[in-house]
Amino acid sequence: DTEVTQTPKHLVMGMTNKKSLKCEQHMGHRAMYWYKQKAKKPPELMFVYSYEKLSINESVPSRFSPECPNSSLLNLHLHALQPEDSALYLCASSQMDKTNTGELFFGEGSRLTVL
Amino acid sequence: AQSVTQLGSHVSVSEGALVLLRCNYSSSVPPYLFWYVQYPNQGLQLLLKYTSAATLVKGINGFEAEFKKSETSFHLTKPSAHMSDAAEYFCAVSDRDGGFKTIFGAGTRLFVKA
Repeated sequence: DTEVTQTPKHLVMGMTNKKSLKCEQHMGHRAMYWYKQKAKKPPELMFVYSYEKLSINESVPSRFSPECPNSSLLNLHLHALQPEDSALYLCASSQMDKTNTGELFFGEGSRLTVL
Repeated sequence: AQSVTQLGSHVSVSEGALVLLRCNYSSSVPPYLFWYVQYPNQGLQLLLKYTSAATLVKGINGFEAEFKKSETSFHLTKPSAHMSDAAEYFCAVSDRDGGFKTIFGAGTRLFVKA
């Protein structure tokens, strides 16, 4: 069983819609990530939060807006998306202490389809 | 800059045969290395990781990998393939300053024939 929970598992939205993806972990990890994965491709890093602050934004378009309300939750707000944004969106978390080896714990992903 | 190269986008083996998935890395400092597996419509799951404690690393589901610094390789092996091993496998590297940026290889799809 995954310890990173993502909702919804599937989302279909029009280009004018506003929706959100949610991610939750209860492992005490203080780093959380959003990745985008297109079919038959590796995950691509979008955002990294460490201690609830945005640490890395990989030049992601502003139609994607991340939010980290607390150490257990991570949201990705979506607005005015394009069909090419259709993909599997993966949330991950990792430790931030001295034992951190960069191991990522992934959720099962949210499959997004933009019509 | 770190990078990972996986040789072979597809590998096909018979059930019971040896599995060998190849990964070479490039890093200016000793890296952390990982193998992740992804089953269809699921997230990634860690198979094993190298963090410099031992060069031969054992993971879940009977997989293991050997870190060879001289060859900059971290190949994944399993002595006997099972049908349930059919999945996408990603080799990945992260640096040692906190591991925020994990670089993934392009992935290798493993097919297992009955």
